[in-house]
Amino acid sequence: DAGVIQSPRHEVTEMGQEVTLRCKPISGHNSLFWYRQTMMRGLELLIYFNNNVPIDDSGMPEDRFSAKMPNASFSTLKIQPSEPRDSAVYFCASSLGTGGPSGANVLTFGAGSRLTVL
Amino acid sequence: AQKVTQAQTEISVVEKEDVTLDCVYETRDTTYYLFWYKQPPSGELVFLIRRNSFDEQNEISGRYSWNFQKSTSSFNFTITASQVVDSAVYFCALINFNKFYFGSGTKLNVKP
Repeated sequence: DAGVIQSPRHEVTEMGQEVTLRCKPISGHNSLFWYRQTMMRGLELLIYFNNNVPIDDSGMPEDRFSAKMPNASFSTLKIQPSEPRDSAVYFCASSLGTGGPSGANVLTFGAGSRLTVL
Repeated sequence: AQKVTQAQTEISVVEKEDVTLDCVYETRDTTYYLFWYKQPPSGELVFLIRRNSFDEQNEISGRYSWNFQKSTSSFNFTITASQVVDSAVYFCALINFNKFYFGSGTKLNVKP
């Protein structure tokens, strides 16, 4: 299995530009998570999907952020317009989870997308 | 509320020393799971172990061992005879209802 695949690995953009990060989860996994990692705030859960449906987006910072999962094998995280404070590493992760307390399956992370907004 | 605390921000040891990384958690739930992940300098997050709240047996995997104590809400991680390749940031996490709550991580530097 190729694991969780994220693209791009690195993105440098200017403030105000739209940024789209992409994720292909592991085949068969039904839960997908987007995390952001910064030195100041550590690992933050932005949003997670179960069976392509957004379950919890309480971690999405503001309306500039949006995420979609049109099918079981693809998800996007979009930032529009981007700001310098959005600079971070964005991780996508997937698992075979049920959503309940027994849904404690291992998260498999992608390699991350490092975003720099100038 | 769920919370995971890793009080040690950074630890430096010399190769072959033993090192313990501390993890203390808070939860009101009786069913939960605890995890450790490793983030080497290359940046990816690698799963190390999962333990459920009903299983307090310690676990050993090669040079790695984990001590889970519900009485103190701790899930500590020990590396025996550390090696330079163990240098990484290690995260402890608590999961409940499919949501992970990560600690802030402990950066381990193993010097030759």
